Amino acid sequence: AQSVTQLGSHVSVSEGALVLLRCNYSSSVPPYLFWYVQYPNQGLQLLLKYTSAATLVKGINGFEAEFKKSETSFHLTKPSAHMSDAAEYFCAVSDYGGATNKLIFGTGTLLAVQP
Amino acid sequence: EAQVTQNPRYLITVTGKKLTVTCSQNMNHEYMSWYRQDPGLGLRQIYYSMNVEVTDKGDVPEGYKVSRKEKRNFPLILESPSPNQTSLYFCASSGGQALETQYFGPGTRLLVL
Repeated sequence: AQSVTQLGSHVSVSEGALVLLRCNYSSSVPPYLFWYVQYPNQGLQLLLKYTSAATLVKGINGFEAEFKKSETSFHLTKPSAHMSDAAEYFCAVSDYGGATNKLIFGTGTLLAVQP
Repeated sequence: EAQVTQNPRYLITVTGKKLTVTCSQNMNHEYMSWYRQDPGLGLRQIYYSMNVEVTDKGDVPEGYKVSRKEKRNFPLILESPSPNQTSLYFCASSGGQALETQYFGPGTRLLVL
């Protein structure tokens, strides 16, 4: 069965600093991986997704993630944090090995950006 | 504008009083699902539907019901709510393939007293 683990429930960075949010996955089949962002009092918005086309995936708002099979990782990065990046970020894997088409989410990482 | 809508956005109720949270999408998506979000647990799937009249349980279905009579609507029903169903609920929809993006509604925050 697929699963994801997000290391660090809270991450704090200074404005302009590198953002690195960690996600490791477990999957018996080639995974489809997603990063979603949740701004306060809003639903989840897709940042980017990996569907095996390219290992480095670029998303919205300057975020990108690299799929590393050898490390079973899909870490999210952004070179320079902005105050507007403060939000909760969720890594997810698609459970397409079953018939449900559901997303299996990590427990989330709350990103704080300090001025 | 492509979107998933949920109503109500906020709801306070008492134990045992039946309630329905509506979900509607305008993207002609086959797949719809309900998740609940709880601190430290992420999002967990409650029920899903692969198409009209086709529904099945997710990981945490106890205490919930759903129906899919029309493609665009997927209401979540709590027949007899209990305090442990206090949570943030999200509806999502997507096309039928696993790699397709799931679009989420804005969420419904439910408090059961």
